[in-house]
Amino acid sequence: DAGVTQSPTHLIKTRGQHVTLRCSPISGHKSVSWYQQVLGQGPQFIFQYYEKEERGRGNFPDRFSARQFPNYSSELNVNALLLGDSALYLCASSPTYEQFFGPGTRLTVL
Amino acid sequence: GEDVEQSLFLSVREGDSSVINCTYTDSSSTYLYWYKQEPGAGLQLLTYIFSNMDMKQDQRLTVLLNKKDKHLSLRIADTQTGDSAIYFCAVNHGSSNTGKLIFGQGTTLQVKP
Repeated sequence: DAGVTQSPTHLIKTRGQHVTLRCSPISGHKSVSWYQQVLGQGPQFIFQYYEKEERGRGNFPDRFSARQFPNYSSELNVNALLLGDSALYLCASSPTYEQFFGPGTRLTVL
Repeated sequence: GEDVEQSLFLSVREGDSSVINCTYTDSSSTYLYWYKQEPGAGLQLLTYIFSNMDMKQDQRLTVLLNKKDKHLSLRIADTQTGDSAIYFCAVNHGSSNTGKLIFGQGTTLQVKP
């Protein structure tokens, strides 16, 4: 079975731009979560979606938004990028309580 | 608020046992996890334990949970050079109905040949 896939793998943007990151969960998993991992730290929770509804939101500004599609794939959008948004963005899919992570998207903001 | 703490670094010799420790503050957490992250990669789920258990063994991995002290440990038996990585402890946010996991800052395991 294919694992969680994310695209793109790497991305370079400049301050003020907008970015869209994509995630496809493991087949059969209805829940997708997004995390931000800054270098040298553990992942920080951004959002969880289940059956296209937002289930949880972490302590991130409104510049961060997400949605989940009928096929359970998901997009994370970040507007007005700041240098501090440079990080590895991880998507996790979940059947119930276990969360399986994808390889991540490395975002660099210059 | 919720917090998960881990020591930052552990160095062992190949063939020895490794023990990585974690403490957490959220007493309502019901699921506790160990993840492995290799350089430039995502997180690999190694094992997990429910809060109503005190031990779980899975091949070379043993998880111990002391719920009273809010202390979780991961023991890796016969540690190999391929076990060199960053290990994260994570707990679910018990008081919410979300899938929010709270992670520690990670323990870098160095395995010397």
